[in-house]
Amino acid sequence: AQSVTQLDSQVPVFEEAPVELRCNYSSSVSVYLFWYVQYPNQGLQLLLKYLSGSTLVKGINGFEAEFNKSQTSFHLRKPSVHISDTAEYFCAVSDKGGTASKLTFGTGTRLQVTL
Amino acid sequence: EAGVAQSPRYKIIEKRQSVAFWCNPISGHATLYWYQQILGQGPKLLIQFQNNGVVDDSQLPKDRFSAERLKGVDSTLKIQPAKLEDSAVYLCASSFSASRANTGELFFGEGSRLTVL
Repeated sequence: AQSVTQLDSQVPVFEEAPVELRCNYSSSVSVYLFWYVQYPNQGLQLLLKYLSGSTLVKGINGFEAEFNKSQTSFHLRKPSVHISDTAEYFCAVSDKGGTASKLTFGTGTRLQVTL
Repeated sequence: EAGVAQSPRYKIIEKRQSVAFWCNPISGHATLYWYQQILGQGPKLLIQFQNNGVVDDSQLPKDRFSAERLKGVDSTLKIQPAKLEDSAVYLCASSFSASRANTGELFFGEGSRLTVL
């Protein structure tokens, strides 16, 4: 079984400031890792993903995340946030080689960007 | 390309009543999922279809929830009778295949928000 922990339920930040949203996972097998974003009253949208290769992955809207296997983490970062980044962010994990998609989501982190 | 369509967007019912949600996936997507997202929690998989067959319904409360995808395209999720704890957003998602969904090629609809009073 796998699980995802997002320690911060809410992260307030001023516009143009940097931000880091934390994600830790546990799994007995190799995993794929994802960050999804959910804007108000919308469905989830893939922000970025780690499948293999370089541990630093870049996504849409200037976000990036780094896979750290030893710390079982996949933290999301952005050097300078914008008001439009206000949304709920979900970290998710799935098993490599799974025959059925078993995407497990964290509880989400609400990023609130203010002026 | 049209995205995943869901209806209704909002529904308010009394407990013990029934409700149905509809989902039309992206054209050509064989795999369809229903997720339940309770306020303050991440989405939880309820059921996965591959074409018109059920792949995984291990977390579907079968005493009150049912889902079908008769022609391998549209899907409906029904709750009967509803309980207070069923208040949530029901998200439909689709993918070309389960393996591609597993690598992030999973597309979500805007969700159907259910409030049970």
